[in-house]
Amino acid sequence: GESVGLHLPTLSVQEGDNSIINCAYSNSASDYFIWYKQESGKGPQFIIDIRSNMDKRQGQRVTVLLNKTVKHLSLQIAATQPGDSAVYFCAENPGNQFYFGTGTSLTVIP
Amino acid sequence: DGGITQSPKYLFRKEGQNVTLSCEQNLNHDAMYWYRQDPGQGLRLIYYSQIVNDFQKGDIAEGYSVSREKKESFPLTVTSAQKNPTAFYLCASTKAGGLGLETQYFGPGTRLLVL
Repeated sequence: GESVGLHLPTLSVQEGDNSIINCAYSNSASDYFIWYKQESGKGPQFIIDIRSNMDKRQGQRVTVLLNKTVKHLSLQIAATQPGDSAVYFCAENPGNQFYFGTGTSLTVIP
Repeated sequence: DGGITQSPKYLFRKEGQNVTLSCEQNLNHDAMYWYRQDPGQGLRLIYYSQIVNDFQKGDIAEGYSVSREKKESFPLTVTSAQKNPTAFYLCASTKAGGLGLETQYFGPGTRLLVL
């Protein structure tokens, strides 16, 4: 099966700082990626996506970077707020189905 | 207010019992999916349906069954054959059928516990 992993299981940041969450994927054929945010006891919430023909995509306070050479995906959150505290996980799709990472738990310290 | 709803939020199953989890969407999406989420693991695909009256097994279909009689509904039954059913179950949908480059949107989930 697919293996989508995260470098760090937990991340703590000060409120107002920038957060960077990383994801390594294993299938070089993956051409679509999504970052999700999941709060405790709730369903995953779509944050941002990127296709393999792009290196960078920006949303509101979030940026996703894709490095296909090393099969690495990152999510950057600017000016992190307490409401950003959650588990973040990436998903890759090589064209047949989505494969999901285990997630990084982000804690924002007020 | 469009979205995906799942019910109940919590469900308790006795040994040997079949239980059914509900998933409804009013997004007019063609495809619907069921995932299982366990601590420390990524989501795993149980079943998916690309169109009404058709569905396919995912990676961990054993002990589960589904139906897709209506476009907006995709119930999941956890049968007594599923020996480790305790998990968080997530329903998702995509606009188009298939498992390709479509954004998946998730419901709020159902937590299943065994008594």
